[in-house]
Amino acid sequence: IAGITQAPTSQILAAGRRMTLRCTQDMRHNAMYWYRQDLGLGLRLIHYSNTAGTTGKGEVPDGYSVSRANTDDFPLTLASAVPSQTSVYFCASSDTGPGANVLTFGAGSRLTVL
Amino acid sequence: GQNIDQPTEMTATEGAIVQINCTYQTSGFNGLFWYQQHAGEAPTFLSYNVLDGLEEKGRFSSFLSRSKGYSYLLLKELQMKDSASYLCAVMDSNYQLIWGAGTKLIIKP
Repeated sequence: IAGITQAPTSQILAAGRRMTLRCTQDMRHNAMYWYRQDLGLGLRLIHYSNTAGTTGKGEVPDGYSVSRANTDDFPLTLASAVPSQTSVYFCASSDTGPGANVLTFGAGSRLTVL
Repeated sequence: GQNIDQPTEMTATEGAIVQINCTYQTSGFNGLFWYQQHAGEAPTFLSYNVLDGLEEKGRFSSFLSRSKGYSYLLLKELQMKDSASYLCAVMDSNYQLIWGAGTKLIIKP
């Protein structure tokens, strides 16, 4: 089934630990995104990539890093987790170009930092 | 600053009609999106408006007025499965999406 796969689904992590959230898509979309979703707030963009080999900072990039070595994979790394990074993380992808802005989301990764 | 406003929660009755409003103030405008998100699941695309007017898609319709910075999502013949959060998002002049906090819609029998 075409779509986005995220792993892990859920994780509890001690503060200070390093964590990588994985995201893989099989739709050959050029653009990929990482969002966090917190209660009472809209989705907030962490990092994005318009094409393989390029990345950019979103609204809330501090404490996170990404890489885009190929079209399909877009991992998000928390170098040293802090409790404020407790959230649900969604990876998304889209085609690029005029009128091709609809996002397809993964199922999400629920992260708890203690 | 950029801002998207939508009601936090709404309640409606099965079989009825509900209108979810969204007002926005953004740096430029390149389209408005509505997504549906069931509890614990990913958002899924519902509609896209870039020109003024009404877009109808089955039981769901979306309206846009760019001069008023206003949109609404109209859901007809409500079903229990329509219980979800509805997210409004605007694409600004830099083609970045600005998201509202979402409206939780509760459907009662």
